[in-house]
Parts: sequence; structure tokens; C-alpha cells
Amino acid sequence: EAGVVQSPRYKIIEKKQPVAFWCNPISGHNTLYWYRQNLGQGPELLIRYENEEAVDDSQLPKDRFSAERLKGVDSTLKIQPAELGDSAVYLCASSSRGTGARGSYGYTFGSGTRLTVV
Amino acid sequence: GENVEQHPSTLSVQEGDSAVIKCTYSDSASNYFPWYKQELGKGPQLIIDIRSNVGEKKDQRIAVTLNKTAKHFSLHITETQPEDSAVYFCAASSPAGTALIFGKGTTLSVSS
Repeated sequence: EAGVVQSPRYKIIEKKQPVAFWCNPISGHNTLYWYRQNLGQGPELLIRYENEEAVDDSQLPKDRFSAERLKGVDSTLKIQPAELGDSAVYLCASSSRGTGARGSYGYTFGSGTRLTVV
Repeated sequence: GENVEQHPSTLSVQEGDSAVIKCTYSDSASNYFPWYKQELGKGPQLIIDIRSNVGEKKDQRIAVTLNKTAKHFSLHITETQPEDSAVYFCAASSPAGTALIFGKGTTLSVSS
């Protein structure tokens, strides 16, 4: 079984340019997460999808970030325009039934996209 | 909201020694506590987890303990090996159980 696939692995852009990241979750996983990981820090949630619906985007900076998950499978995360402070690793994760007492647990993460804004 | 504190930030041990990483959480409603290992250039990988109705769980050289009253949980690695060197993250489920809140990580270095 293929894991969570993310592309590109690395991206270097100039500030004010747009950038997009792509994620293909594990087949059958209904829940998809985008996390941002700053250098030396733990991952921080940006947005969570249940199928095609964004059910938690409270931490997504909506002035410049957007995300979509058409057909409830692949997802893209976009930044426009990028700022220097957006440099980080953007991680995608998927889960079959979310976390907590409701079901199965633990995410599977992709390898991430390392974004450098110069 | 939930806040997860993790200590120490760095840990160096000799091969064969034990390593212990500790985390505390703030919201008593959290009920799921996984640990992730992240190697350089890779995404975090789940290595062990524990639910709030269990006090301890073990998987070969790795064990996790949970103290719900004190709201802290710990990762124990015995007989450490150089390949255990990585960054380890603890996490706690958000009160609604819909996402994970991560600690800041512990860089474990095992020297041979």
C-alpha cells in the first residue's frame, strides 16, 4: 500500500510569488490534514478535511492560504502571495476515522514539502 | 485549547542506555496520546500510542506511560541503538478528538 504522497519535495520561491502543494492520501482515508512545521518545532494544524468538506480551518491564514479537496481524495494547499515567514515544511496526513475515542487513531504523514521563500 | 509541553528538547545517551522523554498536556478531555519519530527529511512516523483508559503500553524496546491525574505521559526507550537517533514528538488529541496537538520535539542522539 502506498503511503501519503506529497509533491513537490522541495520548493524555492521569491516572496510575493504563489506556490501550491499537492497531497494524495492513503486510499480509503476520509480524513485529511495539512500541518505546518517550522524549523525546530512540532507540526501545527492548518486545516482538516472530512471527505471533501473543510471541517476545521480555524488555524488557516485565510488572507493568503487556501486549500481544496475535490472529490474527497487529493488535496492542494496554496499560498498567494508567499511571505518570508511562510518558509517551513508543509505536511499532509491522512487517517481512516479521525482521532480520539470515535475511531482509529494516529495519522500517517507524508514526507512533506520543504518551502523556502527568499 | 490543548497545550502540550515536551521535555527535554535534546537528549544524548550512550548506546545501550535508556532514554525517557516526558510530556504534559493541559486539557483533561484529551484521550489519545501518540508518539512520533521523525528522521531527517521525512515525515513523522507513529511509533506507539496510548489511550486514556490505559496506564501503560509496551512494544518491544518502547513503552509509554500515562498519568491522567497529573496529565503527563512519557516515552521510554530501553537498550537504545544508534538508529534510534531522531526527533521524537508527543501529541495529544484535541478536546473534540478531531486533531492532534504536538509538542515541540526532543532530539535524541545515541552514540556508539
